Amino acid sequence: GAVVSQHPSRVICKSGTSVKIECRSLDFQATTMFWYRQFPKQSLMLMATSNEGSKATYEQGVEKDKFLINHASLTLSTLTVTSAHPEDSSFYICSASGDGTEAFFGQGTRLTVV
Amino acid sequence: QKEVEQNSGPLSVPEGAIASLNCTYSDRGSQSFFWYRQYSGKSPELIMSIYSNGDKEDGRFTAQLNKASQYVSLLIRDSQPSDSATYLCAVKASSGDKLTFGTGTRLAVRP
Repeated sequence: GAVVSQHPSRVICKSGTSVKIECRSLDFQATTMFWYRQFPKQSLMLMATSNEGSKATYEQGVEKDKFLINHASLTLSTLTVTSAHPEDSSFYICSASGDGTEAFFGQGTRLTVV
Repeated sequence: QKEVEQNSGPLSVPEGAIASLNCTYSDRGSQSFFWYRQYSGKSPELIMSIYSNGDKEDGRFTAQLNKASQYVSLLIRDSQPSDSATYLCAVKASSGDKLTFGTGTRLAVRP
C-alpha cells in the first residue's frame, strides 16, 4: 500500500503551548487528508477533512480555531493544536487518500499535555 | 442507531481456527467497505477493501459483502497469535470521501 508518514510520533508539551503535527504522503498525491483522534480503548473519531488548497471541513463539536489544519500541497497536511490543555492529550492520526478509494494511515502522534 | 456497528468482543479463538468478524452499516447507499487492523498503541493498517457483493480473498483473509443485508464480514483462516489485535470495519459514505469507522472488535488468538 501507499506510504503516509506522520511526525512526530510522540510529543509532550506544557499546557497553553501549541503543537504542530505533520502528515506527508510519500509516494502518491493526496487530494484528501483526514485527521482523527483516538482516546484509549475507543474508536477513531474523525475531526476534520482537508482537501488540498481549500479550507478544512470540521466535524460537529470540533473547534476549528483550536485545531488548525493546513493542506497546502498534495503531499502535506498539518494539524496544529493551539493552547493545548491536558484534556487534549490523545492519539492523533492522519490518513490520506489519492484516488478517493482506499485511505492509508500515518503512524499516529501521541500527544501528552502536562 | 450507530452508522457502523461491530461487536466489541473480545473474540477469543484458538490458534489455527477461523476467526469471523462481523459488521453492519446503516447507510444503504454505501459503496466502499474496508477492514483495518490496529495493534495496541499503533495506527490502523488496511487489510482488505471490498466494493461488490460476494467474497474477496487475500491470503488468509476473506472479506464478504452483502449489500442487501447491509453486512460485511472478515474471515481469518489459520489464526495466529500475531493476528491478535482490534479489527476496525470502515464504510465510505455514498457521497464524499469520509470513512465511518465502527468501534472495532478485539480479537485474541490463544496459542
